[in-house]
Amino acid sequence: AQKVTQAQTEISVVEKEDVTLDCVYETRDTTYYLFWYKQPPSGELVFLIRRNSFDEQNEISGRYSWNFQKSTSSFNFTITASQVVDSAVYFCALSEGWGQGAQKLVFGQGTRLTINP
Amino acid sequence: DAGVTQSPTHLIKTRGQHVTLRCSPISGHKSVSWYQQVLGQGPQFIFQYYEKEERGRGNFPDRFSARQFPNYSSELNVNALLLGDSALYLCASSFFSGGPNNEQFFGPGTRLTVL
Repeated sequence: AQKVTQAQTEISVVEKEDVTLDCVYETRDTTYYLFWYKQPPSGELVFLIRRNSFDEQNEISGRYSWNFQKSTSSFNFTITASQVVDSAVYFCALSEGWGQGAQKLVFGQGTRLTINP
Repeated sequence: DAGVTQSPTHLIKTRGQHVTLRCSPISGHKSVSWYQQVLGQGPQFIFQYYEKEERGRGNFPDRFSARQFPNYSSELNVNALLLGDSALYLCASSFFSGGPNNEQFFGPGTRLTVL
């Protein structure tokens, strides 16, 4: 069965610190996609990144970077030089491939990140 | 271009009542999915509809139903409301239904409170 685990329920750091959010997933499929979403207090899920199971290259986008390691089934997210505006709940999600059937995202429990000034 | 829209924003109901939530997808998107997010948890998949047909259903009771209209908008209906149905209900739209590389765009959600 598909499962996503975000072991860190809450993280609190001081502004400008680096912070890493952990994500571990379980799947039996060889083709799958991993996602990170940000959920600010307004509630809307904001897409951050998608990574397919065949691409283990790390990705950097500004202050954000992602480390995908199939050997440990992990897809960790690092924010460098954190800012107060980064405060939100962050979700890791998994989507498995299947033909013309439904596509569903399986989400982790989320990590509430608080950046203190 | 408008994103995914949902109505109403907030809703308060009492146990036993029924509720209808509405979602309009991004223009050109033909698939709508519904998720339930209970406070403190991640969203859970309820339904996906594509071209007016149900393509997938999550582990939810029959009290939950949905439909998609010819203009691709969707309604989620919940009957005989329970306190545990209190949650943020998120709608996501995508261009098609199949495959894992089909980006879903989420709306702002409807916050349902059952008293």
